[in-house]
This record gives sequence, structure tokens and C-alpha cells, in this order.
Amino acid sequence: NAGVTQTPKFQVLKTGQSMTLQCAQDMNHNSMYWYRQDPGMGLRLIYYSASEGTTDKGEVPNGYNVSRLNKREFSLRLESAAPSQTSVYFCATLDSYEQYFGPGTRLTVT
Amino acid sequence: AQSVTQPDIHITVSEGASLELRCNYSYGATPYLFWYVQSPGQGLQLLLKYFSGDTLVQGIKGFEAEFKRSQSSFNLRKPSVHWSDAAEYFCAFSSGSARQLTFGSGTQLTVLP
Repeated sequence: NAGVTQTPKFQVLKTGQSMTLQCAQDMNHNSMYWYRQDPGMGLRLIYYSASEGTTDKGEVPNGYNVSRLNKREFSLRLESAAPSQTSVYFCATLDSYEQYFGPGTRLTVT
Repeated sequence: AQSVTQPDIHITVSEGASLELRCNYSYGATPYLFWYVQSPGQGLQLLLKYFSGDTLVQGIKGFEAEFKRSQSSFNLRKPSVHWSDAAEYFCAFSSGSARQLTFGSGTQLTVLP
């Protein structure tokens, strides 16, 4: 089992460019999450999806959109990247009360 | 407001010494509590969790944590630190129907030989 996978691992964007971060899981979990990690701030929730076809905003949703097209995949889209979105992005899934994290995507916006 | 406080940004200990990382939470009820560890460039690995019952919980890699309701604390301990324990440690709690995690800002642990 791969668990939670994220692509790409690294990405550099110019301000104003768009991109989609991909997350996939093979654990058959219903809930999935996107977090961002910034130095000195821990992880903050961007969006989450309690089940296929549903999404909800977290603490820091501005500038992002998400899509949960099926149970396995939950993508995060930046429509017009800004330097403030330079961060490490983690996807996670939920089993009961325990979350399992992917390896992360390191995004730099110049 | 719901929050997690890790008052120590950086801790340095010698290998073989004991370790205690502090965590305080602010939440209206008893939350589900977690400690995660993150090595450089890696994702988060769950060390241990507290849901209910015995307030002293054992985790992986020889770590334990004690839940103290009266102090709203969930401190992480290890009796003898190994060089491989050098990493960043995050305390978190789960809340709401979405079970979303609220994280502390992390404590960076350095282990001296």
C-alpha cells in the first residue's frame, strides 16, 4: 500500500501562474485534508473533504480551490499564485480520529 | 479560541539525557490529543495519541505523554534521547465533526553527541 501520495514533490512558480497539487490515497478513507506548513506556524488547514463530492473551507482557504472527484483523489488548485503561497503543502486522510499524512509538496512562488 | 501552545521553539539536549516537550491546549472540552514528529524534508509521523482512559500514553520510539486536565497540558517525554530523535515535534488536537487538526507551532529538538 502506498498510503497517501502527493505530486509533485517540488514546484517553482512565477507570480500569477496556476497549478494543481495532486493527492491520492489507497486506504479507502472518506475524509481528506489539505494543510500548509510555514516556519514557526505549524500546519494550518486549507480545505477538507468529508466525503466524495463535498468540500469545506478550513482556516486559510483564500487563494485556493479544491476538487474531490472521487474517493481516492483530492486536488488543490492555485489559480493565480502569489509569493505568500510559498509553503510546504501536506495532504492527509482520516481513519476514525487519526490522520495520515503524505510526504508533502514544497512550493516556491517567485 | 481553540489553540495549541508549544512554548519552546527550540530545545537542545545531550544524547542520553531525558527530554520533556511542553504542550498546552485551549479547547472547550477534552480534545483528542496527538504528538507528531517531522524529520527534515519528511512528512509527519504519529508518535502517540490520547483519546480517553489512562492519562499516561505510550508511543513509538520510546516516547510517552501525560494528559493533565487541570493544567490543559499534554507533555511529551522520553527518558533517554538518541541522536536519531533530532527532529521537529508538533502537538495537535482534533476537533469538530470534520476531525480537523489544530497544530502547535512546533518544537525543534537538537541532540548533542
